[in-house]
Amino acid sequence: SQTIHQWPATLVQPVGSPLSLECTVEGTSNPNLYWYRQAAGRGLQLLFYSVGIGQISSEVPQNLSASRPQDRQFILSSKKLLLSDSGFYLCAWSQWGPPTNEKLFFGSGTQLSVL
Amino acid sequence: GQNIDQPTEMTATEGAIVQINCTYQTSGFNGLFWYQQHAGEAPTFLSYNVLDGLEEKGRFSSFLSRSKGYSYLLLKELQMKDSASYLCAVRDIYYKLSFGAGTTVTVRA
Repeated sequence: SQTIHQWPATLVQPVGSPLSLECTVEGTSNPNLYWYRQAAGRGLQLLFYSVGIGQISSEVPQNLSASRPQDRQFILSSKKLLLSDSGFYLCAWSQWGPPTNEKLFFGSGTQLSVL
Repeated sequence: GQNIDQPTEMTATEGAIVQINCTYQTSGFNGLFWYQQHAGEAPTFLSYNVLDGLEEKGRFSSFLSRSKGYSYLLLKELQMKDSASYLCAVRDIYYKLSFGAGTTVTVRA
């Protein structure tokens, strides 16, 4: 069965510091991978998605970037964090066709607080 | 892009029924999803509609009308553990999923 791992669970970082959040998927190959952010009391905002190694699409302009160095690894980074980067970050995967039929499966999330 | 609207909060009594409405506008509809999210946790998949009509899964049902840009999630025989946020999400023709802000359901004894 497929599993998705995301770490760390919580992170407190000072403004201006770098960021690296990692996500890996097991039990499947060539998944579609996503990074979402959820601000307090708000919906999930799609930040990046990837349909293959080295293929990254950005949904919103920001100081964040994403990379997919391996098929099942997705990394969210920043060189200098802003206060507005605080939020709940979720990695997710999906796959074309049965049995999952493009349902999104989420990692456990990272609560990032930028102080 | 998509514009997705759902109520912010709803409150119901244990054992009752609650209906959460979702309206959407999209340039290319390719499916509607409902997810459940408990506080501080990741969303989990509840239901998926791509054709008009009702999909039933135990205590949860979801309805879709594509011509009206409308869906609802029906929760029956409410239990305390159903207290959570319920997210409506619309998939476009490029297979990107956009989420509404979520409806927080509070179940009271």
